[in-house]
Amino acid sequence: SHELTQPPSVSVSPGQTARITCSGDALSKQYVYWYQQKPGQAPVLVIFKDSERPSGIPERFSGSGSGTEVTLSISEVQAEDEGDYYCHSSDISGTSRVFGGGTKLTVL
Amino acid sequence: QMQLVQSGPELKKPGTSVTVSCKASDLNFTNSIFQWVRQARGQRLEWVGWIIVETGTTKSAEKFQERVTFTRDTSTSTAFMELKNLRSDDTAVYYCAAPSGKYYWGTFDMWGQGTMVTVSS
Repeated sequence: SHELTQPPSVSVSPGQTARITCSGDALSKQYVYWYQQKPGQAPVLVIFKDSERPSGIPERFSGSGSGTEVTLSISEVQAEDEGDYYCHSSDISGTSRVFGGGTKLTVL
Repeated sequence: QMQLVQSGPELKKPGTSVTVSCKASDLNFTNSIFQWVRQARGQRLEWVGWIIVETGTTKSAEKFQERVTFTRDTSTSTAFMELKNLRSDDTAVYYCAAPSGKYYWGTFDMWGQGTMVTVSS
């Protein structure tokens, strides 16, 4: 079965850049999506199709990567960016989806 | 206003079934795809499966294949997920999600508010 691996936690100081990685065998062939989730709320899409930003998402959020590892970068991190971040992608056939284990971003 | 509104919380006994609904507003329902995701308290998001509305084609994650059914009612723009033979570890918030149509077709940017399903004897 297809799996996506993320670090459990990332901590940064305000104003620094946070980088959250996601690795998986199918990522070289399938798009990745990133979601932010805050306690008690539904996930919010912050990056789609590897590196595109939905309307309303600050330019501080960007996606990059190649091969089997991708990265969500958040520059000039603010306290409001704290939350859980999940990568989301398809299996190699594109017929099912999977989420990464999630990364808790802490702003120190 | 484009939105997904899910049915209310459910309390079920082990071995029974639950059906969660997801009603879409201002969405091109017939041309859409609905995915279902669950999240146990304090745990990760878990993909349950999806349904392509136009064809009724469904796919579920391997661990749910024997117990989950996805359906839709185009007359009411509503998608449904039925989970059978409930166990205590099915206790979770269940979300539906769909593409708004603003972005690449596989982009699930619209989410319902979530439905809490509690399985307890």
